[in-house]
Amino acid sequence: DQQVKQNSPSLSVQEGRISILNCDYTNSMFDYFLWYKKYPAEGPTFLISISSIKDKNEDGRFTVFLNKSAKHLSLHIVPSQPGDSAVYFCAASARWNAGNMLTFGGGTRLMVKP
Amino acid sequence: DGGITQSPKYLFRKEGQNVTLSCEQNLNHDAMYWYRQDPGQGLRLIYYSQIVNDFQKGDIAEGYSVSREKKESFPLTVTSAQKNPTAFYLCASSNRDRSRGTYNEQFFGPGTRLTVL
Repeated sequence: DQQVKQNSPSLSVQEGRISILNCDYTNSMFDYFLWYKKYPAEGPTFLISISSIKDKNEDGRFTVFLNKSAKHLSLHIVPSQPGDSAVYFCAASARWNAGNMLTFGGGTRLMVKP
Repeated sequence: DGGITQSPKYLFRKEGQNVTLSCEQNLNHDAMYWYRQDPGQGLRLIYYSQIVNDFQKGDIAEGYSVSREKKESFPLTVTSAQKNPTAFYLCASSNRDRSRGTYNEQFFGPGTRLTVL
């Protein structure tokens, strides 16, 4: 039973355009959501997070949107750059639960073409 | 520089052998975690620890063991009981926001790729 799903295993975008990566979750107890970027054979790098009390959070070219009623979040990258090519994982946690355990989606491989 | 180190980067073991993966952090983080990643899949939690001398099982703890004798160290032992140990292992840590009673984002080490021959 996957509580966090990324339904698109891959996404290809032209440089300069917008990349939109999607994530769905089922557990209504989740109240903190994160996006990580990962290159092969390396550890994930934290990108951006959002608390359930917000519906949008921006950091430079990265914006995360949260739709709690739909249990859906998305990461927008504008403009996309070739260096953004990586696997992106969304993750969710119930922060008030012990340990801050993260539940990860399966990842979306983003390819930004020059 | 503050960060998380994992060693070794690549590890090979024969079937039936136990092997220990190292994870050290100098971020003064309270909590530490071990994840496993298999090809084309997300990260799955093996064990986590919020304080020294205490740890909890994650989703896939069978065949693994951990210890937390020091705040900065959280070694993972992959035992011979683990049926399919070949994977990429990631260690992470996070800090507790004591004013809110919650944890901040997790920071990851570079990973150890374990291959069973």
